[in-house]
This record gives sequence, structure tokens and C-alpha cells, in this order.
Amino acid sequence: EAGVVQSPRYKIIEKKQPVAFWCNPISGHNTLYWYRQNLGQGPELLIRYENEEAVDDSQLPKDRFSAERLKGVDSTLKIQPAELGDSAVYLCASSLVGRGTGELFFGEGSRLTVL
Amino acid sequence: EDQVTQSPEALRLQEGESSSLNCSYTVSGLRGLFWYRQDPGKGPEFLFTLYSAGEEKEKERLKATLTKKESFLHITAPKPEDSATYLCAVQVRLYSGGSNYKLTFGKGTLLTVNP
Repeated sequence: EAGVVQSPRYKIIEKKQPVAFWCNPISGHNTLYWYRQNLGQGPELLIRYENEEAVDDSQLPKDRFSAERLKGVDSTLKIQPAELGDSAVYLCASSLVGRGTGELFFGEGSRLTVL
Repeated sequence: EDQVTQSPEALRLQEGESSSLNCSYTVSGLRGLFWYRQDPGKGPEFLFTLYSAGEEKEKERLKATLTKKESFLHITAPKPEDSATYLCAVQVRLYSGGSNYKLTFGKGTLLTVNP
């Protein structure tokens, strides 16, 4: 069974440029998460989807970050414009049941460097 | 505010030298505690779920235990391939907003096992 697929794995951009990350969750997983992980820190939730609905986006910096999950499958996370502090690894995860499970399946992440 | 603290931040062991990692938490309405393993350049990989004080889970050389205030990940006779960052996460109930739970990760313990 294929795991969570993310792309690109690495991205280097100049500040103020836009960037987008894509995630394909495990087939049949209705819940999708985007996390940000800074060096030496644990993952921090940006947004959680249950099917197409964003049920928790309280930690998403909405002035520059946006996300969508069309048709309840793939998802895209966008940053526009990027700032130096956005350099981090962006992790996508999925789970089978949205409520009541902490068993998440993570992708390998997209490492963003903002110069 | 919910807090998850892992200690030590880093631990270096000789192969075969057993030890324990600690995850202490201050949360209201704990629903579950989860342990993950993260290898460099990879996303976290789920290990265990613990739901109630006194519960224990085992997998190969790892055993996770839970009390009302903390969890331990015991590593018995570790091998170099056990080297990784071990993350603890707590799931708490929420009573407001669009979601009914929240998963908070600690910063992790970087374990190095030397041959």
C-alpha cells in the first residue's frame, strides 16, 4: 500500500516569492493534516481536514497561508508571500478516522528554505 | 495551556545499554498519548497509543508506559538501528470550536546508540 506522498521534497525560494506543496494521502483516509516542523521541534498543526472540510485551521497564518483539499483527496498548501521565518519542513499526514485517533501516517515532508 | 515536555533532549547510549525516555504532560482532558519515531529526513512513524494510567504497550525492544502525569519509553538492550528522534504526542478533548480534539507534540528526544 502506498504511503502519504508529498512533493516537492525540497524547495529553495527567495523571500516574498510564492510556494506550493502538494500531498496525496493514503487511499481511503478521510482526514488530512498539514504540520510544520522547525529544526529541533515537534510538529505543529497548521490545518486539519475531514473530507473536504477544514475542521481546525486555528494555527494557520491566514494572511499568507492557504490550503485546499478538493474532492476530499489531494491537498495543496500555499504560502504567498514567503518570509524568512517560514523555513521549515512541511509535513502532510493522513488518518482513517478523523475523531479519536492519534495514529497518523506521515509523508516524508517538504523542506522549505527561504533566502 | 496544554504542555508536553520530553526529557532528556538528547541521549547517547552504548549498544545493549538500557534506558528510558520521559514525556511529562500538563493537559486537561487527556484522551490518549502517542509515541512516534522520526528518522532524519523522514516523517514521524507511529509506534504506540496509550489511553489510561497503568497501560503498557511493547514492540520489540521498546515498551511504553503511562501514568497520570507522564509516560516512559523504555528501551531494552538498544541497537544502533534504534537511533532516531522519539516524539511524544498528547491528544486532548476540546469543548469549543469546530474540532473536538487536538494533538500536541513534544520536542522529542534524540537517541543515539553507538555500536
